[in-house]
Amino acid sequence: AQTVTQSQPEMSVQEAETVTLSCTYDTSESDYYLFWYKQPPSRQMILVIRQEAYKQQNATENRFSVNFQKAAKSFSLKISDSQLGDAAMYFCAFSNYTGGFKTIFGAGTRLFVKA
Amino acid sequence: DTGVSQDPRHKITKRGQNVTFRCDPISEHNRLYWYRQTLGQGPEFLTYFQNEAQLEKSRLLSDRFSAERPKGSFSTLEIQRTEQGDSAMYLCASSPAQSLYGYTFGSGTRLTVV
Repeated sequence: AQTVTQSQPEMSVQEAETVTLSCTYDTSESDYYLFWYKQPPSRQMILVIRQEAYKQQNATENRFSVNFQKAAKSFSLKISDSQLGDAAMYFCAFSNYTGGFKTIFGAGTRLFVKA
Repeated sequence: DTGVSQDPRHKITKRGQNVTFRCDPISEHNRLYWYRQTLGQGPEFLTYFQNEAQLEKSRLLSDRFSAERPKGSFSTLEIQRTEQGDSAMYLCASSPAQSLYGYTFGSGTRLTVV
């Protein structure tokens, strides 16, 4: 069974600085997808960034980028130039073709952004 | 299309009562998922549909829980004889069938059992 582990319950960052959120996962599959989702307080969860396991190039979406290390089963999220609106719970997630793209989520990291 | 809609946003019920939640997915999305999220935790998978077929149910989904998706459009999640342990946020998400670009989530239904 696949598992996703986020070892940082909370992180904080100064506005305009850079922060990295960690995630590790376990799977015996070779083809899969990894995601970071953002859940602001009392608001719906939205997709931040997506990585396909067969692609070696790390995904980037504006200020958000990932460091995907397939052999180490590591998938960290880097947020550059942090903004107050980045404050939220961030969930790392795993999905693949088996099980109908059912997605497994980590426990989350709460990010605080200091002005 | 206004995204994934869930109704109600909040529900307070007495223990032992039945409750039903509704989810309206994005119309072009064939797959619909239900998740449960407790405070400070990540979402836990409950069940999913492809069109009207319910293809997988989690062991978390006891026989008090039932979900339907008639005609492959909206879905309902019913909890019978609610217990205090059922208090949680119930999230619905949808996605296209043949691609995995991630889910579109609804705002959730927060259930409180008193």
